[in-house]
Amino acid sequence: DSGVTQTPKHLITATGQRVTLRCSPRSGDLSVYWYQQSLDQGLQFLIHYYNGEERAKGNILERFSAQQFPDLHSELNLSSLELGDSALYFCASSATGPEQYFGPGTRLTVT
Amino acid sequence: QKEVEQDPGPLSVPEGAIVSLNCTYSNSAFQYFMWYRQYSRKGPELLMYTYSSGNKEDGRFTAQVDKSSKYISLFIRDSQPSDSATYLCAMINTGTASKLTFGTGTRLQVTL
Repeated sequence: DSGVTQTPKHLITATGQRVTLRCSPRSGDLSVYWYQQSLDQGLQFLIHYYNGEERAKGNILERFSAQQFPDLHSELNLSSLELGDSALYFCASSATGPEQYFGPGTRLTVT
Repeated sequence: QKEVEQDPGPLSVPEGAIVSLNCTYSNSAFQYFMWYRQYSRKGPELLMYTYSSGNKEDGRFTAQVDKSSKYISLFIRDSQPSDSATYLCAMINTGTASKLTFGTGTRLQVTL
């Protein structure tokens, strides 16, 4: 158990809908990262937050947004969902070093 | 061309064998080299990481980095069926961001 929690575990929704994925980092970690894992693209970095501020963006679609709250939990919002958004979404957290610890993921299925 | 290349396998070995997993990369700015293990439908689990070139050992696992060749390896000694998983290499360029750039992963099967 990495200490990173994610909810929900599974999410099934229709095209065009909006969903919110939630992540709680390990106790004391200020950084939260979001990654997307799909069969064709592998694990891809989406976005990094540090203590509430956005630090870096990857190839994150404009339909996707994230935020980190004062209690350090983070949410990833996905809107106008398309079939191609079906994937595993992971969040990871880190303290001051390079180690990133991953949560169990949210499996999103868009039908 | 991807920044990090990794043979997807699958790689099948008998129990007790020495396993060698490898990645090549193209970005010479990568400074941290990580190995993650991922069981089916689970989150990646950090095994070990190395900063810059050199070797690092942790139990049955040894990580090697050769920056001159842009080549990294993970060796698993005395492999066990419980080692059956997908192994992902990942790298960080600290000059730009702390994001991990992953290889596609190598699926390993250790048979009895």
